Amino acid sequence: GAGVSQSPSNKVTEKGKDVELRCDPISGHTALYWYRQSLGQGLEFLIYFQGNSAPDKSGLPSDRFSAERTGGSVSTLTIQRTQQEDSAVYLCAGDGTSVNEQFFGPGTRLTVL
Amino acid sequence: GIQVEQSPPDLILQEGANSTLRCNFSDSVNNLQWFHQNPWGQLINLFYIPSGTKQNGRLSATTVATERYSLLYISSSQTTDSGVYFCAVGPGAQKLVFGQGTRLTINP
Repeated sequence: GAGVSQSPSNKVTEKGKDVELRCDPISGHTALYWYRQSLGQGLEFLIYFQGNSAPDKSGLPSDRFSAERTGGSVSTLTIQRTQQEDSAVYLCAGDGTSVNEQFFGPGTRLTVL
Repeated sequence: GIQVEQSPPDLILQEGANSTLRCNFSDSVNNLQWFHQNPWGQLINLFYIPSGTKQNGRLSATTVATERYSLLYISSSQTTDSGVYFCAVGPGAQKLVFGQGTRLTINP
């Protein structure tokens, strides 16, 4: 939706490995959000960027999770030492013409074996 | 934090039927969105509706902010309307809190 792209679309990894998930929002849109959708927990907020700063990191589940955004554009979500409970679809959203409205990318499906 | 409850959790209808999906939330909000998650997992924006009424084709939505609920109406349902419908709310240009969704199945 609204041109947000994510890569890879699918990622299978082994427990203990690190993974990086990428989000490309629409150029010039300042807000960027990460969520994840898992079977047991539904859709959960992870972190929110305004420009390159992250005023709200309250949803990151542990210190194994981190995210950064550079140039007010691309964002990377990194999960270190992955665990099986990290398996989920990771969704990125950007803002749109209405300042509060969020538009989601197609997601990255992460499977930790 | 804000709590969001959606009802019903599941709804099975015949093609052509009308349906009403409800979203209750526990606190005042400045952002309320309805999404349709298609079978491929993509979240499709339906409405941005923190208050008032909007219509788009066979779909319409009403949010009564003072009473903390929103309704999504689907008229003359089609099989392509099947999927999960999510309501999400938030204080503004910040995080959204999602309900657990309503799974809608439209049978031919």
